[in-house]
Amino acid sequence: NAGVMQNPRHLVRRRGQEARLRCSPVKGHSHVYWYRQLPEEGLKFMVYLQKENIIDESGMPKERFSAEFPKEGPSILRIQQVVRGDSAAYFCASSPGITASRGSPLHFGNGTRLTVT
Amino acid sequence: AQSVSQHNHHVILSEAASLELGCNYSYGGTVNLFWYVQYPGQHLQLLLKYFSGDPLVKGIKGFEAEFIKSKFSFNLRKPSVQWSDTAEYFCAVNARVDSGGYQKVTFGTGTKLQVIP
Repeated sequence: NAGVMQNPRHLVRRRGQEARLRCSPVKGHSHVYWYRQLPEEGLKFMVYLQKENIIDESGMPKERFSAEFPKEGPSILRIQQVVRGDSAAYFCASSPGITASRGSPLHFGNGTRLTVT
Repeated sequence: AQSVSQHNHHVILSEAASLELGCNYSYGGTVNLFWYVQYPGQHLQLLLKYFSGDPLVKGIKGFEAEFIKSKFSFNLRKPSVQWSDTAEYFCAVNARVDSGGYQKVTFGTGTKLQVIP
């Protein structure tokens, strides 16, 4: 009964490198959310994806950040040319999205802690 | 746009003390409400949820929350806390995005609870 799997758990990148964060949702879940957690700031919504579609990316920085959720394989959050300010914990969550009116609770992964040196 | 406010950023209690964490949201339509808990170094876990019906919701580990629609509030309570309740608590609202016709989950900034033995 695998939950949401995120890898890597910890990722260290030098400034200017690329970071790729992976998220495999709960089996059968077709909705994926990415959140960023900074100390004292709580969880900030970044992007909401369904299979092959970006539904809402209003929380994503306009530059350097991108996300995808392909038909096959995990969801990927990519950060290009990382800067120190990108250091944070990035959490992925999934839901089945059974009906729009029910609002299924989110299942969270363990997160990826990105450190930019 | 929907928003969630958690008024207490850091709460310190002695064991056996009663707990109440405030949560207010801003959204005029139908909402689903959640409380999540994040123990140190772990991912978020669902404590309890409100969809409809009885506004007093009971969750795991003796937690409960009351939905007061007129006050747009969903406060979390526990009559007697334990040292093991030391964690960060997040209130979340799942509501329909008016312009997009889809559900979106918004989190509060979190409340860090420290229980002293």
